[in-house]
Amino acid sequence: DAGVIQSPRHEVTEMGQEVTLRCKPISGHNSLFWYRQTMMRGLELLIYFNNNVPIDDSGMPEDRFSAKMPNASFSTLKIQPSEPRDSAVYFCASSLDWTSSYNEQFFGPGTRLTVL
Amino acid sequence: SQKIEQNSEALNIQEGKTATLTCNYTNYSPAYLQWYRQDPGRGPVFLLLIRENEKEKRKERLKVTFDTTLKQSLFHITASQPADSATYLCAPGNFNKFYFGSGTKLNVKP
Repeated sequence: DAGVIQSPRHEVTEMGQEVTLRCKPISGHNSLFWYRQTMMRGLELLIYFNNNVPIDDSGMPEDRFSAKMPNASFSTLKIQPSEPRDSAVYFCASSLDWTSSYNEQFFGPGTRLTVL
Repeated sequence: SQKIEQNSEALNIQEGKTATLTCNYTNYSPAYLQWYRQDPGRGPVFLLLIRENEKEKRKERLKVTFDTTLKQSLFHITASQPADSATYLCAPGNFNKFYFGSGTKLNVKP
């Protein structure tokens, strides 16, 4: 298996532009997570899905952020409009079975977002 | 709200020694705790999971302890090697949701 796939790996955009980050989880995994990592705040959980359904989005910073999972093999995280403080590395992770409480998460390589 | 604390200062040790990293948490009662390794420019990689009813877990040169009274986990790497140099993150959690500490950077010098 190729692991969790994220695209793009790097994104540079200007303030006010829309940004879409993409994730393909490991085949057969039922849970998907979006994280944001910065030096100041560390690794923060933004939202997670079980069986394509958003379960907890309490970590989404504000309405400018939205996430979707239209099917089991694809998810997007969208920022509209983007701001310089959104600059961070965004990770997607997946895990095998949400019905089991104790699951390791497999992380993608991340997308480094820079908003000018 | 929950708070996860790891030593923000880098830990520098000599090859062959045992490295011990600390994770403390407050305002939280996790059912389990995971440890991850993160290398520069990469996503975290799972190392070990320990449940609240387990005191200690081992895997090769790694050992994790979990003290729910002290609200603390210790992560040990015995016979450390330069290849163990990385940032180590702890993540206490319940069900599918858990919170990551900011990580401790370990430098193992030859």
